[in-house]
Amino acid sequence: GQQVMQIPQYQHVQEGEDFTTYCNSSTTLSNIQWYKQRPGGHPVFLIQLVKSGEVKKQKRLTFQFGEAKKNSSLHITATQTTDVGTYFCAGKKGGSQGNLIFGKGTKLSVKP
Amino acid sequence: DAGVTQSPTHLIKTRGQHVTLRCSPISGHKSVSWYQQVLGQGPQFIFQYYEKEERGRGNFPDRFSARQFPNYSSELNVNALLLGDSALYLCASSLAGPLANYGYTFGSGTRLTIV
Repeated sequence: GQQVMQIPQYQHVQEGEDFTTYCNSSTTLSNIQWYKQRPGGHPVFLIQLVKSGEVKKQKRLTFQFGEAKKNSSLHITATQTTDVGTYFCAGKKGGSQGNLIFGKGTKLSVKP
Repeated sequence: DAGVTQSPTHLIKTRGQHVTLRCSPISGHKSVSWYQQVLGQGPQFIFQYYEKEERGRGNFPDRFSARQFPNYSSELNVNALLLGDSALYLCASSLAGPLANYGYTFGSGTRLTIV
């Protein structure tokens, strides 16, 4: 079945350093979504990418969708302690069954 | 507007029992999806409902069932509970059906513990 792989599993950075998490799907996706889950919380929607090669920015966060619509990345510039949490990518395959398949997430810790 | 509400927030059950979890989507949202999240893992898809019809089912045993009501709220039922069913159960609502591209809004979840 469809799988979404995400690396790294953990990332520890010093405050001010950059952070990147990568997501790869075994099949072509109709869109990819990114979520952030704070410790003890629930996933919160960050963004959706739909077009091949799409790049979107939200302040210090940059999201990319690969040309083949099989991979994606999230890059955070100059991390802050408020960025702490687990970042999940979630891919949606086209068709009538449009459920999201989540990666295992990248847990980010930021040392002040 | 209220977000996605789930009840109960926490639940402790013993093996073999059954459980019903409830979810009310955001007003106007017609799609509800259920996910199971085991500690340290990403959410695993269980069911998706849109307009009261099942539109997707994940790789879960028949002990898991769900339904969506005319007001778009939903219930997830799990029978013959096993220790491995201990997890955070998340409900997500979305504005439109599976063919549309919309983000999900998750509820705070139900923490189910099986003893």
